Amino acid sequence: SQQGEEDPQALSIQEGENATMNCSYKTSINNLQWYRQNSGRGLVHLILIRSNEREKHSGRLRVTLDTSKKSSSLLITASRAADTASYFCATAIFNTGFQKLVFGTGTRLLVSP
Amino acid sequence: DAGVTQSPTHLIKTRGQQVTLRCSPKSGHDTVSWYQQALGQGPQFIFQYYEEEERQRGNFPDRFSGHQFPNYSSELNVNALLLGDSALYLCASSLQFVRFGGRPSDTQYFGPGTRLTVL
Repeated sequence: SQQGEEDPQALSIQEGENATMNCSYKTSINNLQWYRQNSGRGLVHLILIRSNEREKHSGRLRVTLDTSKKSSSLLITASRAADTASYFCATAIFNTGFQKLVFGTGTRLLVSP
Repeated sequence: DAGVTQSPTHLIKTRGQQVTLRCSPKSGHDTVSWYQQALGQGPQFIFQYYEEEERQRGNFPDRFSGHQFPNYSSELNVNALLLGDSALYLCASSLQFVRFGGRPSDTQYFGPGTRLTVL
């Protein structure tokens, strides 16, 4: 079963605009990670934010985490056509020292030239 | 530095057959996790291997089994295939044990996946 949901399910914007995706989850986490997937292929790791962090930046990416609301957001600034992909949040759950990822349902982003 | 590799890329099987998927982790990684991604869904955790033992398992039936070899590579086996097993199977590698101090990596690196179609 999925850990949580992402909102919106699909997002269509123009190049140069910002894209914001939200993720909600259900249980306590160690960290939350965002991944990108192009055309149903492998997942590319974008950014990781730990449970004691509130905001993190990487290039054009900005991630926030609100553990009290069990939610996270991913902002892509100045989007490009190459950003067109599906974006997934994944919560890291630890059990006996081992980590597994529980993924959300994903947001499909379409960036038009 | 070689990333995670998976084989084969695509596979077509019929119901009732058995399939074996293979994964080689990123260089230096010792832990392999397998995920199943149905069309239009997020990946779901199947199981995880470290030191040739299954360490965690998701909500998948015993028809799904795995193995890890001494070189850290891994296999996923699915018996008695069902139509519902059609999916993209993703392998992810990570580092659990770090020598001389340090800490395990929290990041999992994914391979390109194997697309399994069951007819």
